[in-house]
Amino acid sequence: DVKVTQSSRYLVKRTGEKVFLECVQDMDHENMFWYRQDPGLGLRLIYFSYDVKMKEKGDIPEGYSVSREKKERFSLILESASTNQTSMYLCASPPHRQGSGEQYFGPGTRLTVT
Amino acid sequence: AQSVAQPEDQVNVAEGNPLTVKCTYSVSGNPYLFWYVQYPNRGLQFLLKYITGDNLVKGSYGFEAEFNKSQTSFHLKKPSALVSDSALYFCAVRAPTGGYNKLIFGAGTRLAVHP
Repeated sequence: DVKVTQSSRYLVKRTGEKVFLECVQDMDHENMFWYRQDPGLGLRLIYFSYDVKMKEKGDIPEGYSVSREKKERFSLILESASTNQTSMYLCASPPHRQGSGEQYFGPGTRLTVT
Repeated sequence: AQSVAQPEDQVNVAEGNPLTVKCTYSVSGNPYLFWYVQYPNRGLQFLLKYITGDNLVKGSYGFEAEFNKSQTSFHLKKPSALVSDSALYFCAVRAPTGGYNKLIFGAGTRLAVHP
């Protein structure tokens, strides 16, 4: 059974803090994705990675960066957290780089920035 | 530009009645279409997908979806709703260019099944 785990379910940070969200998958997948989920907006892609040290911007990369030093781990970094980054963050990983598109999701991290 | 529309924020249905959650898409080329479900405080779970072949696809938990190319729709259906089906449902389409299995999601529809 594929497992995608995220380091925290709930996180509260202050404005201006540097925030790290971690995602780990245990099935040797090449692709990993970070989305944010907001009511009425669905899921929006922040960044994705298609291999170690390889990354590409998604639709809303501003204010975020990512790191992928090992294949199983994909980190999302909020360089200086702001209140408009309060959201649910979801990590996902598809089983194949160029497959049909099905993705496995982690449980999500609900981040509140005060 | 590729997009997915879910025209209803919420769908209410009585237990035992049939349910439909609507989705329309706009994408060039042949779409790969998906439905995902999110139960409270959980991540998204894959329900079903259409890639090619029969326009009616069956998925998990008794759900099915009908692909209609002329209407560019992919509505989710279930013949008899359960209270446990209450959740947030997302339609998604795979971006046809750029590879890497990128998905474009709709805004989501909250399904409420009442006893």
